[in-house]
Amino acid sequence: KAGVTQTPRYLIKTRGQQVTLSCSPISGHRSVSWYQQTPGQGLQFLFEYFSETQRNKGNFPGRFSGRQFSNSRSEMNVSTLELGDSALYLCASSLARGQDEKLFFGSGTQLSVL
Amino acid sequence: AQTVTQSQPEMSVQEAETVTLSCTYDTSESDYYLFWYKQPPSRQMILVIRQEAYKQQNATENRFSVNFQKAAKSFSLKISDSQLGDAAMYFCAYRSRNAGNMLTFGGGTRLMVKP
Repeated sequence: KAGVTQTPRYLIKTRGQQVTLSCSPISGHRSVSWYQQTPGQGLQFLFEYFSETQRNKGNFPGRFSGRQFSNSRSEMNVSTLELGDSALYLCASSLARGQDEKLFFGSGTQLSVL
Repeated sequence: AQTVTQSQPEMSVQEAETVTLSCTYDTSESDYYLFWYKQPPSRQMILVIRQEAYKQQNATENRFSVNFQKAAKSFSLKISDSQLGDAAMYFCAYRSRNAGNMLTFGGGTRLMVKP
């Protein structure tokens, strides 16, 4: 069974541009969560999607958005990139939400903003 | 809001020895889950062990065990018979029962294993 797949692995953008990151969950998983990891702020929750609906959102500006498709694949978008958006973006999937669910993480997309 | 604190930025252990990583958390909730995740250089977060707050018995997974002290809000990870492959970043995480899959992470502890 394939794991959580995130594409691309690495991305370089310049300030002001926008970027879209993709996450394909494990087959059958319906919940997808996104996290931002930086040396300064650590790991922070961005948002969670389940059945194409955003269920939770972290404390990030509106420039950060996401969506989930009917096949459970998810994308996150960051508009008007800032230098501080440079980070590792991790995606995690699970069968359902909360309770006893085990999260499976991908290897992340490393975004560098120049 | 919940907070998770890992007070040890770095730890080192001799191969085959035992090491304990510390984690404290702050919450007003009584029902939640606690986790330890490992992040090797591949960057993929791997679940090591989890503990449900309403279970008094400490969780154990092979060489990994936890010491869960609910009143003290402490959740430490003990790694026995340390192996070179245990070298990684370790993150403690909290999840409220009612917060879906939203995790709150600690700052991490880098574990080095000396041969």
